[in-house]
Amino acid sequence: NAGVTQTPKFRVLKTGQSMTLLCAQDMNHEYMYWYRQDPGMGLRLIHYSVGEGTTAKGEVPDGYNVSRLKKQNFLLGLESAAPSQTSVYFCASSDNRGSYEQYFGPGTRLTVT
Amino acid sequence: EDQVTQSPEALRLQEGESSSLNCSYTVSGLRGLFWYRQDPGKGPEFLFTLYSAGEEKEKERLKATLTKKESFLHITAPKPEDSATYLCAVQPFMDSNYQLIWGAGTKLIIKP
Repeated sequence: NAGVTQTPKFRVLKTGQSMTLLCAQDMNHEYMYWYRQDPGMGLRLIHYSVGEGTTAKGEVPDGYNVSRLKKQNFLLGLESAAPSQTSVYFCASSDNRGSYEQYFGPGTRLTVT
Repeated sequence: EDQVTQSPEALRLQEGESSSLNCSYTVSGLRGLFWYRQDPGKGPEFLFTLYSAGEEKEKERLKATLTKKESFLHITAPKPEDSATYLCAVQPFMDSNYQLIWGAGTKLIIKP
């Protein structure tokens, strides 16, 4: 099992450009999450999904959109990147039966200039 | 307001010097408390889940304990490879979507 994978690993954008981050999991998990991690701060939830075709806003959703067309994939989009979106982005997934711990991908380091 | 606070922010130890990391929390009801390890440039790696006060879990040199207000991650005779940032998160009982509230982490450095 690959677990949770993310592409790309690194990306540099100019202000106003758009991009999509892809997350894939092979654990058949129902729940998926997108976080950002900034120095000195805890992980902050951007958007999450409790199943295929459903998405919901987390703590810091502004400037981001998501889609979950297939159970194993969760996409995070930035329509018009801003320097404040420079961060490390992590995708995670969890089962909805029993233990609920989240499993994380390796992260995407995004720089917006 | 649900909140998680980890202390200290950073901890430097000599190899073999045991110590503890603290995670204090305030939630209306606790479904679970989670500990993760994060190495530089990598995603958090799941370590433990604790569900009720008095519960303990162990893995190699790590032992996690839980009370009604806080959790401790005890590190016994640490080695340099235990150096990492340790993250704590809680899952409020009333959250039906199983979201986690995260602490900012404790950076642990073990000197040889």
